[in-house]
Amino acid sequence: EPEVTQTPSHQVTQMGQEVILRCVPISNHLYFYWYRQILGQKVEFLVSFYNNEISEKSEIFDDQFSVERPDGSNFTLKIRSTKLEDSAMYFCASRPGVVNTEAFFGQGTRLTVV
Amino acid sequence: AQSVTQLGSHVSVSEGALVLLRCNYSSSVPPYLFWYVQYPNQGLQLLLKYTTGATLVKGINGFEAEFKKSETSFHLTKPSAHMSDAAEYFCAVSGAGSYQLTFGKGTKLSVIP
Repeated sequence: EPEVTQTPSHQVTQMGQEVILRCVPISNHLYFYWYRQILGQKVEFLVSFYNNEISEKSEIFDDQFSVERPDGSNFTLKIRSTKLEDSAMYFCASRPGVVNTEAFFGQGTRLTVV
Repeated sequence: AQSVTQLGSHVSVSEGALVLLRCNYSSSVPPYLFWYVQYPNQGLQLLLKYTTGATLVKGINGFEAEFKKSETSFHLTKPSAHMSDAAEYFCAVSGAGSYQLTFGKGTKLSVIP
């Protein structure tokens, strides 16, 4: 069964460093998303991406964040200068683009900023 | 704007007992409603969804949920809990025209043997 895959499963980085979280969405899906879940809190929407551009983004998705689909298969989330409060589980998701379909989520990348 | 409230961050039931996880939503447009389950160290897996049509929806693993517009609710039920149901359950809402999901805080279900 097709699935969304995320790498790495766990990343530890020093405050101020740049990190790139990688995702391979399900082939033929058209909509891509990043969500995050800070420990003990709810899953929060960060950004959606369609047709090679951002279609929606939340207040959390400020200038330190960026997304890219560099090669038609990978979908990346870059955090330019990490802060302690960026520590969270980051989930990638994709959707086929057909009306009324659900998002399929990856297993997440746990980012720890020290 | 949408929001989701899940009553009870932690629910415990005995094996074989009814499972009821509560979800209330707020949406300014007709909502699409979802329940996702997260097992330890795994991603979010869709249990069931309501978009249009029949208000009682059935999902995987014997779960079902009923959309009640008058009560703005989408509670998740299962007649008989199994040990394998122990997980965290998230209710989510999105609106027509926007497929951004707004999640509730989640309810952790424990099943007691």
